[in-house]
Amino acid sequence: DSGVTQTPKHLITATGQRVTLRCSPRSGDLSVYWYQQSLDQGLQFLIQYYNGEERAKGNILERFSAQQFPDLHSELNLSSLELGDSALYFCASSVDYRRTGSLETQYFGPGTRLLVL
Amino acid sequence: LAKTTQPISMDSYEGQEVNITCSHNNIATNDYITWYQQFPSQGPRFIIQGYKTKVTNEVASLFIPADRKSSTLSLPRVSLSDTAVYYCLVGDGYNFNKFYFGSGTKLNVKP
Repeated sequence: DSGVTQTPKHLITATGQRVTLRCSPRSGDLSVYWYQQSLDQGLQFLIQYYNGEERAKGNILERFSAQQFPDLHSELNLSSLELGDSALYFCASSVDYRRTGSLETQYFGPGTRLLVL
Repeated sequence: LAKTTQPISMDSYEGQEVNITCSHNNIATNDYITWYQQFPSQGPRFIIQGYKTKVTNEVASLFIPADRKSSTLSLPRVSLSDTAVYYCLVGDGYNFNKFYFGSGTKLNVKP
């Protein structure tokens, strides 16, 4: 158990709909990362938040957005869903990316499996 | 962008030592090399990180030559439970938008 929790575990929805995925980082971790993993594209970095502020963006679609709240939990919002958005969505957290310049160890949650029909 | 190249898959037998090599020709001065392990339907798990030469922990060893253009993850005496995907990542903590997991190496350990 990494200490990172994600809800829901599974989500089934229809095309065009909007969903929200939730992530609670490990206690004390300030950075949250979101990843998408689909069968044909491996693990793709979407976005990083640090202490409530967006820190880095990866291959995140405009239909997707995220935020990190004052209690440090994060939500990933996916809208106008398409069949191709079906994937495993992982959240990870780390203590403080700024400390050493090295890559902070990221602790991954169990993921949310999204199926768009 | 310091992309990485790894073999798509590898086979091994229980009790053998496994070496997985990763190429990162465009590695930058500030970049570190990190390896993660992922089991099916689970999130990746940190294995080891290094900057140069050799790093060893209770799970694996990481060998990095002087030019740092490649690295080798060494798993001693693998067991069936080591069957997983292994990712090599290169980057630094300040430029996370360059983070690239790649497709990883699927290690299949046979009895």
